Order: sequence, then structure tokens, then C-alpha cells
Amino acid sequence: DAGVTQSPTHLIKTRGQHVTLRCSPISGHKSVSWYQQVLGQGPQFIFQYYEKEERGRGNFPDRFSARQFPNYSSELNVNALLLGDSALYLCASSKSGTVYEQYFGPGTRLTVT
Amino acid sequence: QKEVEQDPGPLSVPEGAIVSLNCTYSNSAFQYFMWYRQYSRKGPELLMYTYSSGNKEDGRFTAQVDKSSKYISLFIRDSQPSDSATYLCAMSGFGNEKLTFGTGTRLTIIP
Repeated sequence: DAGVTQSPTHLIKTRGQHVTLRCSPISGHKSVSWYQQVLGQGPQFIFQYYEKEERGRGNFPDRFSARQFPNYSSELNVNALLLGDSALYLCASSKSGTVYEQYFGPGTRLTVT
Repeated sequence: QKEVEQDPGPLSVPEGAIVSLNCTYSNSAFQYFMWYRQYSRKGPELLMYTYSSGNKEDGRFTAQVDKSSKYISLFIRDSQPSDSATYLCAMSGFGNEKLTFGTGTRLTIIP
């Protein structure tokens, strides 16, 4: 079975630009979560979606938004990029939103210059 | 103070040794305790999870949770060079939608 897939693998953006990151969950999984991992730190929770509804939001500014589509894939959008947004963005999926069986994708490495 | 504290290491041990990795936490609402392994520039890989206190074994890996001390451990027996990675502990409360991670411990197994 295919795992969680994310695209793109990496990208470089300029301050002030907008970025969209994409995630496809494991087949049969209905929940997607997004995390930000800064170099040398553990992942920080951004959002969780289950059945297209937002179930949780971490302590991130309104520049960060997300949505989940009918096929359970998801997008994370970040507006007005800052240098501090440079990080590995991880998507995780689970069958029903249970955090103890979340499986992560390889991540999208975002560099903001 | 962070909710989850984890020694970042680095930790280097010879091949075949027993490795002990630990995390402490402050939030008594945490009920689920996970260990992830993360290779360089890759996503975290779930190794195992434990609910509440107790031990859980999976092959060469054993997870222990002591809720009275707010302390969790991961033991790796017969360590292999392929175990070289960063190990992240993560925790969550019952019905909670998010994982709270430690900073990760960077482990190197020396052949």
C-alpha cells in the first residue's frame, strides 16, 4: 500500500509570496494533520482535518490555512511568507483522527529567501 | 517550560549495545505516548505507541511509560547501524487532536 504522499518535495520562495503544499493520505484514511518542523526541533501541530471538517488548530497565525477535499487529500496554504516559515512541512494521516496511529509523509522542505 | 522535554544528544553507542532514550513531560492529561524514528531529511516513522502506563515490546524495541513520574523510555536491544537516526517522543491527551513532540534525540550506532 502506498504511504502518505506530499508534493512538492522541496521549493524555494521569496518573502511575501504565497505557497500551497499538497498531501494525499493513505488509502482508507479520512483524517489529515499538518505539522511544521524547524531544523533541530520536533514537529509542531498546525491543523487537523477529519471528514473535511477542521478538528483542531495549533498556535499559528492566520496566514496559515488548510482544507480537505472530498477524496480526503489536503492542501496547506501559507500567505505572506516570512523567513521564519522555512521548515519541513509534514502531513500525517490516520483512519479516524486518532493521534496514536498517525503516519507521516516525507514532507515538503520550504525555503524562504 | 516545554510540555515535553527530550535530551537532544547526540548519543553514540557501539553496535550491539542497549540504547535507552527518554522523555519527561509536564501535562498530566497525556494518555497516549508514541515513539517515532526519523532519518535525515525524511518524515517521522511510527515505531510504537503505548496507552497509559506500562510496557510494550515489539521486536528489539521496548517502550515504558511511568505516569506517576511523567517519564517515558524507549529501549533498543542489539542496536544496529541502521538504527542511527533521530528518535522523537510524542504525546497526546485522550480525545485530543494533536501530537506534542519532544525535540528528538540524535542517535548514532558505531559499527
